[in-house]
Amino acid sequence: DAKTTQPPSMDCAEGRAANLPCNHSTISGNEYVYWYRQIHSQGPQYIIHGLKNNETNEMASLIITEDRKSSTLILPHATLRDTAVYYCIGYNSGGSNYKLTFGKGTLLTVNP
Amino acid sequence: GAGVSQSPRYKVAKRGQDVALRCDPISGHVSLFWYQQALGQGPEFLTYFQNEAQLDKSGLPSDRFFAERPEGSVSTLKIQRTQQEDSAVYLCASSVSQGGNGYTFGSGTRLTVV
Repeated sequence: DAKTTQPPSMDCAEGRAANLPCNHSTISGNEYVYWYRQIHSQGPQYIIHGLKNNETNEMASLIITEDRKSSTLILPHATLRDTAVYYCIGYNSGGSNYKLTFGKGTLLTVNP
Repeated sequence: GAGVSQSPRYKVAKRGQDVALRCDPISGHVSLFWYQQALGQGPEFLTYFQNEAQLDKSGLPSDRFFAERPEGSVSTLKIQRTQQEDSAVYLCASSVSQGGNGYTFGSGTRLTVV
């Protein structure tokens, strides 16, 4: 799986959009970009994933650059409950792969 | 149940003691995973079950760690002769299949070895 690089921490004001970047320059053509988050004292929670097209669901939007070397997770209206560590993971869900390789992620703090 | 349930939520063990951590996956989930999360780090893979078969145990840090899922549902992670470096949160996840968006994690068991 591709190695990903994320800033260790970010701050965001409540109600504003939170844009979390991730670099994955070594991602291969069949690897998806997955985002999970981990709220304090809970297990990781799946947010969204994409291959090359932008994706949106009820939780967030994922913007992937055309060269697929980086992506941005967007929380359009951050709330205090969005304070968490966000993990960007390169993952090939095909074949026999099943391991998620987490890095240290980005601690997003949403401030009132 | 509605989610993955892990027990106990917290465990304090004296060094050298054996511990057993339980995971109740979502009913019908074929795949089950154990991860270890040290303080300030992301979770790291320990082992993977497909039904009752343990297909991968490459992440288990030593032979003191043992996992089982005898009937393809509940799983137990056992750590023998605990050491201080075993202190961590142990997370269990289950999935209908092995796709990356299907994992549901439990809240974990925080093990502290004193």
